[in-house]
Amino acid sequence: AQTVTQSQPEMSVQEAETVTLSCTYDTSESDYYLFWYKQPPSRQMILVIRQEAYKQQNATENRFSVNFQKAAKSFSLKISDSQLGDAAMYFCAYRRGSNFGNEKLTFGTGTRLTIIP
Amino acid sequence: DAGVIQSPRHEVTEMGQEVTLRCKPISGHDYLFWYRQTMMRGLELLIYFNNNVPIDDSGMPEDRFSAKMPNASFSNLKIQPSEPRDSAVYFCASSRRGIEQYFGPGTRLTVT
Repeated sequence: AQTVTQSQPEMSVQEAETVTLSCTYDTSESDYYLFWYKQPPSRQMILVIRQEAYKQQNATENRFSVNFQKAAKSFSLKISDSQLGDAAMYFCAYRRGSNFGNEKLTFGTGTRLTIIP
Repeated sequence: DAGVIQSPRHEVTEMGQEVTLRCKPISGHDYLFWYRQTMMRGLELLIYFNNNVPIDDSGMPEDRFSAKMPNASFSNLKIQPSEPRDSAVYFCASSRRGIEQYFGPGTRLTVT
């Protein structure tokens, strides 16, 4: 079974600085997707970024980027120029490849990010 | 475009009562997922549908839980009878082609 591990229960960063959240996963599959979701105090789960395993290029969305290391099974999220609105719980998630029946997401336990003004 | 809509946002009920949670997916999405989030167990997938057909309900905790999707615009999750351990935040998510999932705001259920 696939597992997703977020080893940092809590992180904090000064406003405008850069922070990296860690995620590792365990799978025997070669085709899969990885995601980062953000859950602010409003509790809405918001998709931040997505990475396909077959793509070597790291995904980027504005101030959010990932460092995808397929061999190491590592998928970290870097937030640049941290803003107060980035304060949230961040979840890493894994999905098996695009075949029908693989739609289930496996989530990590989350990292709570605090932004220090 | 409207996102996933869930109702109610909060539900407080007494043990033994029936609870119905509702979800309207994003128009055009063909997958719908029900999740439960608790401090102890994190985010758990309960059941998901493709084109209104249940695909995997292995996460449904017990027979007290049931979910239906009568059409592409609506799904409900019922708990009958409810128990205090069912207290959690219940999320509905929808997806087109089953890859990126978009979540609703959740329903916070408290069973006393």
